Amino acid sequence: DGGITQSPKYLFRKEGQNVTLSCEQNLNHDAMYWYRQDPGQGLRLIYYSQIVNDFQKGDIAEGYSVSREKKESFPLTVTSAQKNPTAFYLCASSIAGQGTGELFFGEGSRLTVL
Amino acid sequence: AQSVSQHNHHVILSEAASLELGCNYSYGGTVNLFWYVQYPGQHLQLLLKYFSGDPLVKGIKGFEAEFIKSKFSFNLRKPSVQWSDTAEYFCAVNAGSSASKIIFGSGTRLSIRP
Repeated sequence: DGGITQSPKYLFRKEGQNVTLSCEQNLNHDAMYWYRQDPGQGLRLIYYSQIVNDFQKGDIAEGYSVSREKKESFPLTVTSAQKNPTAFYLCASSIAGQGTGELFFGEGSRLTVL
Repeated sequence: AQSVSQHNHHVILSEAASLELGCNYSYGGTVNLFWYVQYPGQHLQLLLKYFSGDPLVKGIKGFEAEFIKSKFSFNLRKPSVQWSDTAEYFCAVNAGSSASKIIFGSGTRLSIRP
């Protein structure tokens, strides 16, 4: 079935460690996104990519990094520079371009920093 | 910068009551507007969307939304809610110089009393 796969579903990390969250899609979508979901704050955009080898910062990119080497993959690294990394992270994809924008979401990854 | 405001953080209704959830956005140009829903334990999914044309759009499960350009609003409505509508609802906007950048509101939690 077509869809978006995020892994791991749950992740624990010690302070000072980097961690990478995986996001893979087989929908042949050009655009991919990473959002962070915190209670009462909705979804905040971390990074997005409209095409392979290109990505843009969202509203809260500090302390995060991404890569887009393949169309189907958009991994997110939460670095030790991220001050409050404990959160629920959602990956999404869509067909890029004006007039589209419908997002398809993965199940999410919950990161807890101990 | 574009932003999306959802003023109702938590709405509690009885079954069969009418629903209206507010959504306002800040952007002066052409926008695409969305409502997403997150049922407990499930993925975020699209409820309805507005790209152009008739400002009254109908979505799944009896929901509808009206785009009022002069008020920068896109309120979600349902004439008679059911217990199964208990969920979190997010308004989103796709606008600006990057057509792929999609910004979400903070969400409204809807609780329906049986």
